[in-house]
Amino acid sequence: GDSVTQMEGPVTLSEEAFLTINCTYTATGYPSLFWYVQYPGEGLQLLLKATKADDKGSNKGFEATYRKETTSFHLEKGSVQVSDSAVYFCALSGNQAGTALIFGKGTTLSVSS
Amino acid sequence: GAVVSQHPSRVICKSGTSVKIECRSLDFQATTMFWYRQFPKKSLMLMATSNEGSKATYEQGVEKDKFLINHASLTLSTLTVTSAHPEDSSFYICSARVGGHLDSPLHFGNGTRLTVT
Repeated sequence: GDSVTQMEGPVTLSEEAFLTINCTYTATGYPSLFWYVQYPGEGLQLLLKATKADDKGSNKGFEATYRKETTSFHLEKGSVQVSDSAVYFCALSGNQAGTALIFGKGTTLSVSS
Repeated sequence: GAVVSQHPSRVICKSGTSVKIECRSLDFQATTMFWYRQFPKKSLMLMATSNEGSKATYEQGVEKDKFLINHASLTLSTLTVTSAHPEDSSFYICSARVGGHLDSPLHFGNGTRLTVT
């Protein structure tokens, strides 16, 4: 079945460092891909999305490109801030209407000043 | 933007009692809502898909008699944890999709932290 694999965390960076969180997926058909962020004690918020191959999603300085050939959707940010400390989830949509998202296990990012 | 409201945010109950968690879509109608459970290592497990006006669809391994789901209207789904036990302590999150398109993101409630003593 469909699945999402994320790099294991935690990822610990200094402020202004470059961030990459790897995400690869296995799916039939052409899923849409998402990154969600969860701040401490809160629910999940959509960070960005891409719906077809070669699409680039971007938001708040974060970017991810839908790579069909490598089945990847890596999250990047050029200069992280302390406020970016959170758990990041990669997810894909199922192929049937009304289906839930399938999530990776999440990657914890900790940014220090 | 679309907002999903979940209540309560935290609840502590005694073992053997039941707890109801509400999930509301505030500015859109949701024929389908999803209930997730988040474990300490952060992974999200889909528990069930809640369908307005019909029975919920449960994922394998989720006890439907223990986790009762009711989706009585287009804006409200409830999850009732019956006869709760300490192992049911967890973070429960509901979500809904605006529209039926697969490329539409899910919007999440802020979650409910359940502690069973």
